[in-house]
Amino acid sequence: GAGVSQSPSNKVTEKGKDVELRCDPISGHTALYWYRQSLGQGLEFLIYFQGNSAPDKSGLPSDRFSAERTGGSVSTLTIQRTQQEDSAVYLCASSEGRNGNQPQHFGDGTRLSIL
Amino acid sequence: AQSVSQHNHHVILSEAASLELGCNYSYGGTVNLFWYVQYPGQHLQLLLKYFSGDPLVKGIKGFEAEFIKSKFSFNLRKPSVQWSDTAEYFCAVNTDNTDKLIFGTGTRLQVFP
Repeated sequence: GAGVSQSPSNKVTEKGKDVELRCDPISGHTALYWYRQSLGQGLEFLIYFQGNSAPDKSGLPSDRFSAERTGGSVSTLTIQRTQQEDSAVYLCASSEGRNGNQPQHFGDGTRLSIL
Repeated sequence: AQSVSQHNHHVILSEAASLELGCNYSYGGTVNLFWYVQYPGQHLQLLLKYFSGDPLVKGIKGFEAEFIKSKFSFNLRKPSVQWSDTAEYFCAVNTDNTDKLIFGTGTRLQVFP
């Protein structure tokens, strides 16, 4: 079956522009996560959606970052007024349910470059 | 706050050598532990996981890891590496009060024939 799908795979934009990154989770997975992978920083948690519960936004680095998940499926991560330090690979993952035992399945990521 | 440390940033081995990658976490409660692998040009894949029971867990491709609670460690091992094991390896943990994963900074493994 299909895995986690992210688009675009690469995005280059100018500083100050807004960007939207999309994630299609595995069908039936109720949990969806966004992470950021930066050089020398490892993988950093950003935000987590579980079913209809309020998302855990504790990892968002600033109020320029927001995310939504429509219909319990597709998610969009939006970065407003991009800065050079936003350059990173943004990874989406999904898992089956509200149980930390369920492994997360990752997409290929979106490589974001801010000029 | 929870954290995960991977002390080996870059490991270079010859084929057939034994591998051990260190992982330590900081959290006093119940944890679930994971090792993920990222092969060149591919997405992160689960290598193995520990939730409960036998602290020695076996994963894919001959990898294993041992959870030592007293040392807050979950080291990854493989008795004989292959060139195809060249990849980046990430240790991760989630805890009894959150499902989000806390990752270490990763270890880059290069295996030469």
